[in-house]
Amino acid sequence: AQTVTQSQPEMSVQEAETVTLSCTYDTSESDYYLFWYKQPPSRQMILVIRQEAYKQQNATENRFSVNFQKAAKSFSLKISDSQLGDAAMYFCAVNNAGNMLTFGGGTRLMVKP
Amino acid sequence: GAVVSQHPSRVICKSGTSVKIECRSLDFQATTMFWYRQFPKQSLMLMATSNEGSKATYEQGVEKDKFLINHASLTLSTLTVTSAHPEDSSFYICSAREIGNSNQPQHFGDGTRLSIL
Repeated sequence: AQTVTQSQPEMSVQEAETVTLSCTYDTSESDYYLFWYKQPPSRQMILVIRQEAYKQQNATENRFSVNFQKAAKSFSLKISDSQLGDAAMYFCAVNNAGNMLTFGGGTRLMVKP
Repeated sequence: GAVVSQHPSRVICKSGTSVKIECRSLDFQATTMFWYRQFPKQSLMLMATSNEGSKATYEQGVEKDKFLINHASLTLSTLTVTSAHPEDSSFYICSAREIGNSNQPQHFGDGTRLSIL
């Protein structure tokens, strides 16, 4: 069984500032992937970034980067230079060998102008 | 890039009606599609895994006779909510993974908002 925990139901950041969203997980798989998805009010699920567990290097995608601590089973998302369009629900997820995704409870990010 | 089309986007119907939701992969083939349900202010919960040419695998607590899944081709999976009741009102989202690309993430449809009166 897999579990994903997002301990921050809501976060707020000032526009242009940096914010970090926390995620911890548990899995019995030796090979797995971790993801961060963004869900704006439109409810569309948008892939933000993903990390292969076997890679030590932290993934980055423009203003988005992760801090992957495999031993601690931690996978936080850092958003730099926050923009108003970043406001959304963010879900952390882990998949297993069968590609079944398990999602965390989500963090609502608010961006203040 | 890969696109998953989900239809309809919004359904409002009376209690007792059966509702069919389609999930299509538009530019890739998918032997496996996934159906999720999301209640307001909650996360996505996997309902079932749809397998092309075979029976779907349902998660614990999901009634297979209530939520009928058919995956008749490599590009189409359907979810039918049979005799829907108000407690079935929710947001349903499908996703698909391209054949032979186990390293690629799932692609999500835009979801279906189901409201049962």
